[in-house]
Amino acid sequence: NAGVMQNPRHLVRRRGQEARLRCSPMKGHSHVYWYRQLPEEGLKFMVYLQKENIIDESGMPKERFSAEFPKEGPSILRIQQVVRGDSAAYFCASSPPVRETQYFGPGTRLLVL
Amino acid sequence: GQQVMQIPQYQHVQEGEDFTTYCNSSTTLSNIQWYKQRPGGHPVFLIQLVKSGEVKKQKRLTFQFGEAKKNSSLHITATQTTDVGTYFCAGYNQGGKLIFGQGTELSVKP
Repeated sequence: NAGVMQNPRHLVRRRGQEARLRCSPMKGHSHVYWYRQLPEEGLKFMVYLQKENIIDESGMPKERFSAEFPKEGPSILRIQQVVRGDSAAYFCASSPPVRETQYFGPGTRLLVL
Repeated sequence: GQQVMQIPQYQHVQEGEDFTTYCNSSTTLSNIQWYKQRPGGHPVFLIQLVKSGEVKKQKRLTFQFGEAKKNSSLHITATQTTDVGTYFCAGYNQGGKLIFGQGTELSVKP
């Protein structure tokens, strides 16, 4: 049973470009969560999704950030017009139902030049 | 909103010494989870505590959930260099969001 998959593992973008981060949850998991971790800091919740639904996006910046979890395919975290402050590690986690253990992917390290 | 606080933020120990990190929530938790993140790695689930006053052990690690279900601790006996990393506690809020503490970064000097 493969774990949570994320790609790319490392992503370099110039200011103003778009970043697309992908997450495939563990088999059988229907809940996906995205977190951001700045250097030397903890994990900040961004968004919680189920298939085709955004359940809680209270941690998402109002502009430039969006997330989806389509019926088919991975969950996507999209950052438009990236700025240097977006440089961080972005982790995806998945769980079976809510309030259960979350399993984390290896993360995508985004560097904005 | 709900807050989960962890102390200390950093802990440096000599190999063989004990280590404890404490976690406090502003609200009662239905359960508490602990994760470990190695430098450059991702959070890895360690354990979940559900019952008031629950104590669980994993080899040299002892996890405790407070009677009021608002605090928890992780104690490592006789630390080893392999214990290096950041330890996070996390609890679910009413809306199903997992709230993480800031983490305690453990460094172990051989």
